[in-house]
Amino acid sequence: EVQLVESGGGLVQPGGSLRLSCAASGFTFSNYAMHWVRQVPGKGLEYVSAISSNGGSTNYANSVKDRFSISRDNSKNTLYLQMGSLRAEDMGVYYCARDNGPLDYWGQGTLVTVSS
Amino acid sequence: EIVMTQSPATLSVSPGERATLSCRASQSVSNNLAWYQQKPGQAPRLLIYGASTRATGIPARFSGSGSGTEFTLTISSLQSEDFAVYYCQQYNNWPRTFGQGTKVEIK
Repeated sequence: EVQLVESGGGLVQPGGSLRLSCAASGFTFSNYAMHWVRQVPGKGLEYVSAISSNGGSTNYANSVKDRFSISRDNSKNTLYLQMGSLRAEDMGVYYCARDNGPLDYWGQGTLVTVSS
Repeated sequence: EIVMTQSPATLSVSPGERATLSCRASQSVSNNLAWYQQKPGQAPRLLIYGASTRATGIPARFSGSGSGTEFTLTISSLQSEDFAVYYCQQYNNWPRTFGQGTKVEIK
């Protein structure tokens, strides 16, 4: 069974940093690109970032470019999102998802709150 | 970036009725279009990919159509468990982009 479990969310002050993790199991992690998607509670889905299966290629939404960094450790079956210079508009639930063309499996999300 | 526009924002439908949701892309995405369903407190779930192919385990009452810039998700006979928010997403270009969602509510 495919499982994606996010962790690392929490309360952070504006301008602060946070690293999210996504532990994958039930499939060959190194064969798939992976995404981060976020959602402000009560609002829509927003693409954040993606990384290729071997980590050699990354992509970011304009809203997070130069502040966030996506990475992966295929030996640990884990996806990461390093978030810096956090702003109030970065608040929300962050989901990791498997890229199979469409996003065919999603984690349950981890909540990031940016507030002083 | 490609802008995905969904309509209507809210659709009020009675159980057993048909629901038709629309998604328009600002430029062609070929058939690289997915639909997701999201219920309160849950992660999104893939319903349709390739514009018209149902994902594993998705009931036949869900169908998708369209290509290029105009797409439709049809739910032929709404069941109680279908009341949710539906999002379209293009995966033809970077960055991937989602529509703003259509909420299907009980009439």
